[in-house]
Formats: sequence, C-alpha cells, structure tokens
Amino acid sequence: QQQVKQSPQSLIVQKGGISIINCAYENTAFDYFPWYQQFPGKGPALLIAIRPDVSEKKEGRFTISFNKSAKQFSLHIMDSQPGDSATYFCAASSTGFKTIFGAGTRLFVKA
Amino acid sequence: EAGVVQSPRYKIIEKKQPVAFWCNPISGHNTLYWYRQNLGQGPELLIRYENEEAVDDSQLPKDRFSAERLKGVDSTLKIQPAELGDSAVYLCASSLGSSGSYNEQFFGPGTRLTVL
Repeated sequence: QQQVKQSPQSLIVQKGGISIINCAYENTAFDYFPWYQQFPGKGPALLIAIRPDVSEKKEGRFTISFNKSAKQFSLHIMDSQPGDSATYFCAASSTGFKTIFGAGTRLFVKA
Repeated sequence: EAGVVQSPRYKIIEKKQPVAFWCNPISGHNTLYWYRQNLGQGPELLIRYENEEAVDDSQLPKDRFSAERLKGVDSTLKIQPAELGDSAVYLCASSLGSSGSYNEQFFGPGTRLTVL
C-alpha cells in the first residue's frame, strides 16, 4: 500500500525527443506527487509537483500528467537535452505522512 | 541563501566501528529529515524531526542507529556499530513546515558511507 512503482529503470532518448517516466501508487490517501531530479554526487532537487485535483501541470519543458482513477502519474520532458541526463524520482505523500519515493529512472539524453 | 550542509561527504570505515553524520538545515526550516539511499534506489526515510522532537522514527534501526537534534537546528545521525549493509548515501533534508503535502524538501549532498 505504501509503495510507489516507477518505470522504466533506465531510459535513453535522442536530443530533442520526449522522455516519459511513469509511476503508480496504491494508497488513495496520497495527495501530493512531486518529481525530483538528482545529479551524480548531489541530493535530489524538486523539479515539479502536482496535487490530485488537477490532471496536468506544466512548467517549461516538464509536464506531469495525473490519472486519479488509475492511480498513475507520469513525467514528460519535452525537447530533451543532454543537460537533462540525471536520475528522476517520483514520490507521493500526504499531510502528516512520510514521503514515499519510487526507485528512480536513469535518463540519458544522447547529443 | 545557503542550502542544507552535510559533513563529511565521504566516510570509509571498518565494520563494527562507529560513525557519525552531521547536518545543518536551511535557516528557519523547522522540519528535518534523515534518509538512506541505497545504490540504485530512492531515498527511504529514517527519521523526521519537527523542531527538536522526533515525530517519525519507525524506520530507524534503533539497535544501532541514533539521532539527535539539539536546539532544533543541527542534527547528528550515528551508527554504532556499523555493518556491511549500512553502506549507502545518507541524505539530510529540511522543509519549512511539516512533512507531507505541499512542503518542499530541500536535500543536502549526502554522505556516502562505505563499510568494509
């Protein structure tokens, strides 16, 4: 119930392409779904987050799509750039509850 | 504004030895978290503090791990004795408000622990 399942484990995309990472959760009490970006040797940093009252949120090249009925959400990176190469974590939490992270997706954008 | 500061960045110890990690959160952040990140995995919460009170330590292996946050600012995480399976990156994070919804967590760079 507390797991957040993330796929794929790794992803290779050509420069300018679209990167798509998917996550699924079980606990319907979760009400906050952030995505974190982590570069080697650094801690995770918040990239974008969504609440379940909206189905999509866009910030620049990054978009979260949220499907409440399916308990799934995904990150789309448009016009992927080599600088986007990093590990991406989805997460889920609710008020007063700890944040549960997915296992991560290693993205490599080929120049 | 300075971010979350952690030290040391790297630590190599023999098994059964003690080790301690230090964290200085962002100024004004009441909530402090310690996470463990195993290789190829996402962070897993060990303990969360609201000011100086530990409010969630259910995942902390209390037989060998201890933590403190004196005066509600800096925090120390200790392992004694360390085991081979403790090799991981230990991340400290802080946020303005309580854990969960809507409070962005800011992570430090972590301490990479290797137990030989």
